[in-house]
Amino acid sequence: DADVTQTPRNRITKTGKRIMLECSQTKGHDRMYWYRQDPGLGLRLIYYSFDVKDINKGEISDGYSVSRQAQAKFSLSLESAIPNQTALYFCATSDPTGANTGELFFGEGSRLTVL
Amino acid sequence: KQEVTQIPAALSVPEGENLVLNCSFTDSAIYNLQWFRQDPGKGLTSLLLIQSSQREQTSGRLNASLDKSSGRSTLYIAASQPGDSATYLCAVGSSNTGKLIFGQGTTLQVKP
Repeated sequence: DADVTQTPRNRITKTGKRIMLECSQTKGHDRMYWYRQDPGLGLRLIYYSFDVKDINKGEISDGYSVSRQAQAKFSLSLESAIPNQTALYFCATSDPTGANTGELFFGEGSRLTVL
Repeated sequence: KQEVTQIPAALSVPEGENLVLNCSFTDSAIYNLQWFRQDPGKGLTSLLLIQSSQREQTSGRLNASLDKSSGRSTLYIAASQPGDSATYLCAVGSSNTGKLIFGQGTTLQVKP
């Protein structure tokens, strides 16, 4: 089983619908992230969380919200989806301790299409 | 604002060649630099992490170097194989927060 699991892997929805992407991890890391990947734009940070009580906006948080339900779970919501939110979304984790501080581990991605 | 650039955007080589992928960044005050591999429709796999105090890291046929003063990193792949075909992404961290700035990647094709 993957260490970082994202659901759903693929989703097609319509403009105005509410969508939730879920992420769970078994790595025991405190830090979790949501990134978005667009062709030609690379990956950009949406939100990140250092623990269940700590949520921070990233580079492109407008139109998104997150919830850190537990150390192992971090969800991304689109309250009212719009077509330019069509993208590949990645969850990632990192461990702030040890020699490899700051190293990120990614899930397989959730492809979202908004019609 | 940190910007990360990867050139070329695409590269095609015959099997067996040694090759170098380039990554440049505009702000030399980095915390670390990470190289990833992405297969089509898949997630990112971490290949190598270089902390700012390090000059290089090696894993198998891969070697990544870091020159902060010139704002450059290279990923060297020895004896390339068709299975190395993928997109390679470089990402720079300015602190230990895990907030990374990504390049747009180099798509590598290794022909048998």
